[in-house]
Amino acid sequence: GAVVSQHPSRVICKSGTSVKIECRSLDFQATTMFWYRQFPKQSLMLMATSNEGSKATYEQGVEKDKFLINHASLTLSTLTVTSAHPEDSSFYICSARTSGGSRDNEQFFGPGTRLTVL
Amino acid sequence: QKEVEQDPGPLSVPEGAIVSLNCTYSNSAFQYFMWYRQYSRKGPELLMYTYSSGNKEDGRFTAQVDKSSKYISLFIRDSQPSDSATYLCAMGPPGQNFVFGPGTRLSVLP
Repeated sequence: GAVVSQHPSRVICKSGTSVKIECRSLDFQATTMFWYRQFPKQSLMLMATSNEGSKATYEQGVEKDKFLINHASLTLSTLTVTSAHPEDSSFYICSARTSGGSRDNEQFFGPGTRLTVL
Repeated sequence: QKEVEQDPGPLSVPEGAIVSLNCTYSNSAFQYFMWYRQYSRKGPELLMYTYSSGNKEDGRFTAQVDKSSKYISLFIRDSQPSDSATYLCAMGPPGQNFVFGPGTRLSVLP
């Protein structure tokens, strides 16, 4: 399958700081990328959908000023958690969807980033 | 009614058993159907991808889609302890975001 990387895999920060998470599609171009968060033993929660070159579409209840998403190129999307607080501690997973070619419309996930805010 | 329903489990089976995982859905426009496996503290891994109806087999895994019943299944033959994970179904119509089931937690006991 196609490869999606995420960096960092783990981050611990103090309350009030901002954290940036990078998501890259390594062997395909992704016009659409997604950001999810997942609490322990719970299902994926879609936070936002980003399309390259345009503003992200946020799900209801997700603060767009707190979770800044930038999809700067066809292989890179970033999520910045601004002024993080302990309740933002979670597992953040990005995903990228293929378009065109023999593997059209398949969605691949990154390995996730575990954020702990102290 | 949720768009995608999936029994969360947990489901425990002995090693070597055939596992059947299922999802039902309500949107008749769904054309893409996927199964993902997620190990604890890891991102989901795409296992099976099906467009429209039919069966697809890959090693010990078989995916079935029954659009008339709005029902999809994933079968795992000769299950192994390493198959212990959460299995998520996902589906969607062309051009729109996929909808994910909540996942079924599977434990294969040695």
